[in-house]
Amino acid sequence: EAQVTQNPRYLITVTGKKLTVTCSQNMNHEYMSWYRQDPGLGLRQIYYSMNVEVTDKGDVPEGYKVSRKEKRNFPLILESPSPNQTSLYFCASMEGWDGAYEQYFGPGTRLTVT
Amino acid sequence: AQSVAQPEDQVNVAEGNPLTVKCTYSVSGNPYLFWYVQYPNRGLQFLLKYITGDNLVKGSYGFEAEFNKSQTSFHLKKPSALVSDSALYFCAVSNSNSGYALNFGKGTSLLVTP
Repeated sequence: EAQVTQNPRYLITVTGKKLTVTCSQNMNHEYMSWYRQDPGLGLRQIYYSMNVEVTDKGDVPEGYKVSRKEKRNFPLILESPSPNQTSLYFCASMEGWDGAYEQYFGPGTRLTVT
Repeated sequence: AQSVAQPEDQVNVAEGNPLTVKCTYSVSGNPYLFWYVQYPNRGLQFLLKYITGDNLVKGSYGFEAEFNKSQTSFHLKKPSALVSDSALYFCAVSNSNSGYALNFGKGTSLLVTP
């Protein structure tokens, strides 16, 4: 089954404790992206990657890092989480990086930073 | 810069009645327009897209959307609403120039009552 998986699905952590949210897709997609969803703000892009070792900032990259060492994986790293990073996070992948393709989303990771 | 507006935070419809969820966009060049749906505790699912061609686009679950270039709109419609259609709906835009950049609206919550 074609899918995007994320782990963990739920995470409660404390300010400053480094964490990683993993994302993996089994569709051999070139493009992957991370979004955060906040009430009243919709989805905002954090980082995206057009292929292995090619990443770039989205609209809200501050406080986040990513890496793309393998085509299927695109982890999101919060090196020093803060309460304003409490949010619902989605990973997505797309067949190409032409904007005409639809994106496939993971189930989401709900992060709470206290 | 490209953007999407969803003017209604919530739409309430009785089961069996037609529904419309509104979306307007702003983009330079030709737009690529998408609708995604998010059910509770789930990731976003692709519903339909307009890239080129017929202004009326048909998608999953009986939904359709009409592209109107003069009004810069892409409203989502369904002739007969079901209670199971209750969810959060997002409109999104990209274009041939932005490629990978996909901008989402803030979302519209659809509530279909029996």
